[in-house]
Amino acid sequence: NAGVTQTPKFQVLKTGQSMTLQCAQDMNHEYMSWYRQDPGMGLRLIHYSVGAGITDQGEVPNGYNVSRSTTEDFPLRLLSAAPSQTSVYFCASSYGWSLKHNEQFFGPGTRLTVL
Amino acid sequence: DAKTTQPNSMESNEEEPVHLPCNHSTISGTDYIHWYRQLPSQGPEYVIHGLTSNVNNRMASLAIAEDRKSSTLILHRATLRDAAVYYCILRDTSGGGADGLTFGKGTHLIIQP
Repeated sequence: NAGVTQTPKFQVLKTGQSMTLQCAQDMNHEYMSWYRQDPGMGLRLIHYSVGAGITDQGEVPNGYNVSRSTTEDFPLRLLSAAPSQTSVYFCASSYGWSLKHNEQFFGPGTRLTVL
Repeated sequence: DAKTTQPNSMESNEEEPVHLPCNHSTISGTDYIHWYRQLPSQGPEYVIHGLTSNVNNRMASLAIAEDRKSSTLILHRATLRDAAVYYCILRDTSGGGADGLTFGKGTHLIIQP
């Protein structure tokens, strides 16, 4: 299994540009989520999905859109990039939607810089 | 989710045991204790979790205080590869629990050769 994959690894955008961060998993996991990590900080949840066709907002959803048309893919869209969105973005998946006792598998991250 | 308190950093020597503490004095009876670690320039990685009893797996052991107000992650024989930021996270089991994990700043573990 490839696990959780993310593309691109690095991206530089200009303010106002839009782009999509890709995330895919081959473990047939129901639950997928997106986090951002700012320098020296822990991760903060942006959006999550408990299954295909179902998404919900996390702690910091503003400026981001998601959709989940398949079990495998969970893309994150930046609508109009702002410098405050400069961060490292991590995608994660889990077998069950309840995170009480299911471990999350994280991707390698996408480093995004907005100028 | 209830709050956890961890030291900002700890240092240990290679091939020695490491005890990483976590205080969670406001833990509720339904909170699981999870540990993740993040190696440099990588995504977080699951380490271990538990509810009341001590837990062991191939990576580490989790010792939970009897009153559950604190816990300790034990790496039995640290290697240079264990140098990472370690996060102690409480996960509320009431309700759905689908809204992600709350990561604090964690403990930066430094391993000296």
